[in-house]
Amino acid sequence: DTEVTQTPKHLVMGMTNKKSLKCEQHMGHRAMYWYKQKAKKPPELMFVYSYEKLSINESVPSRFSPECPNSSLLNLHLHALQPEDSALYLCASSRQSPPRQETQYFGPGTRLLVL
Amino acid sequence: DAKTTQPTSMDCAEGRAANLPCNHSTISGNEYVYWYRQIHSQGPQYIIHGLKNNETNEMASLIITEDRKSSTLILPHATLRDTAVYYCIVLNRDDKIIFGKGTRLHILP
Repeated sequence: DTEVTQTPKHLVMGMTNKKSLKCEQHMGHRAMYWYKQKAKKPPELMFVYSYEKLSINESVPSRFSPECPNSSLLNLHLHALQPEDSALYLCASSRQSPPRQETQYFGPGTRLLVL
Repeated sequence: DAKTTQPTSMDCAEGRAANLPCNHSTISGNEYVYWYRQIHSQGPQYIIHGLKNNETNEMASLIITEDRKSSTLILPHATLRDTAVYYCIVLNRDDKIIFGKGTRLHILP
């Protein structure tokens, strides 16, 4: 099984809402990632979790709050987002995290629209 | 910043080999060349990677020049499903992935 799953596929939320994105992998990977991708732009790294601990935060605003409840699950909690946060949110996993970069496996993404 | 330069877009006829170039003139000795692709509305997909030697797998071949300053990804028999954005990425074992703008490959019927 080389699959990373993400739910929901699509999400529409208002600026006062609280929502969560979920990501799951069962490959035994110990590193998990959140990326943000705006239309016609490449993905940009947001967070890295290594062995269930946050290891990299790319200066992401606090309205995005990641959580790694266990080695298979990664959540991204959203609160008080802005319309410019509308994007495709991608989750990925790899066997190990930087240092020792390994091939990353990506999920299909959650397409978020903030109204 | 991305350490690679790729053409913005390319066309290739279906059934022909697609050759995607990438320049990475500042690559250092311990840095790998990775290729990912992203089909429309999907997450990026790993294709292949290499350090010095040419590599081949079931998806593609990677040709790295002897001075390692450039490489070419080869899709031997392109199909319509290969239409995607192809990202060439240079990173060492300690780096995070930084995606450049990539090459938008159009496979023409």
